Amino acid sequence: GAVVSQHPSRVICKSGTSVKIECRSLDFQATTMFWYRQFPKQSLMLMATSNEGSKATYEQGVEKDKFLINHASLTLSTLTVTSAHPEDSSFYICSANSPETRETQYFGPGTRLLVL
Amino acid sequence: GQSLEQPSEVTAVEGAIVQINCTYQTSGFYGLSWYQQHDGGAPTFLSYNALDGLEETGRFSSFLSRSDSYGYLLLQELQMKDSASYFCAVRGINYGQNFVFGPGTRLSVLP
Repeated sequence: GAVVSQHPSRVICKSGTSVKIECRSLDFQATTMFWYRQFPKQSLMLMATSNEGSKATYEQGVEKDKFLINHASLTLSTLTVTSAHPEDSSFYICSANSPETRETQYFGPGTRLLVL
Repeated sequence: GQSLEQPSEVTAVEGAIVQINCTYQTSGFYGLSWYQQHDGGAPTFLSYNALDGLEETGRFSSFLSRSDSYGYLLLQELQMKDSASYFCAVRGINYGQNFVFGPGTRLSVLP
């Protein structure tokens, strides 16, 4: 299957700083990637859809100025959490559709963010 | 809009068969997917049903009935490593390319 990588896997930062998370499709091109957030023992909540070469589409309630998404190439999308606060601590996961079928999503390994 | 419901927890013993149900409300969707997620890990794709009926992939099978707005994931010959959370998901026809995930079912396999 298609491989999606994510970096870093873990990050601890101080409140007020910004954190960038990278999501890469390693063996296929992804015009669309998705960013999710997951709190412990809860489901995946879609934050935004990242579109290569255009602006991201944010879900209702997600602050686009706080969660900056850039999809500069067909294999890379980045999520920057700006001015992070403790309540932003969560598990962030990206995904991309399989090139063979749009019905399968391949997920990155996730990034665990802890804001102190 | 779309919403999916799953049982929150299921417990079974090694070697048993377990069925995880998913009921949904949606105005239209392409198909029903299932994902497995171990603690601390990312979801991995298990199965997809575009049409009604049963899809079998090794020990895992998935079923869809559009008329009943219902699907399930069947796990046979349970192993300890199957202990994980299982999510059903749909991609709505009127929802762009986005997937909506169910709340997840925590499966615990006991020895």
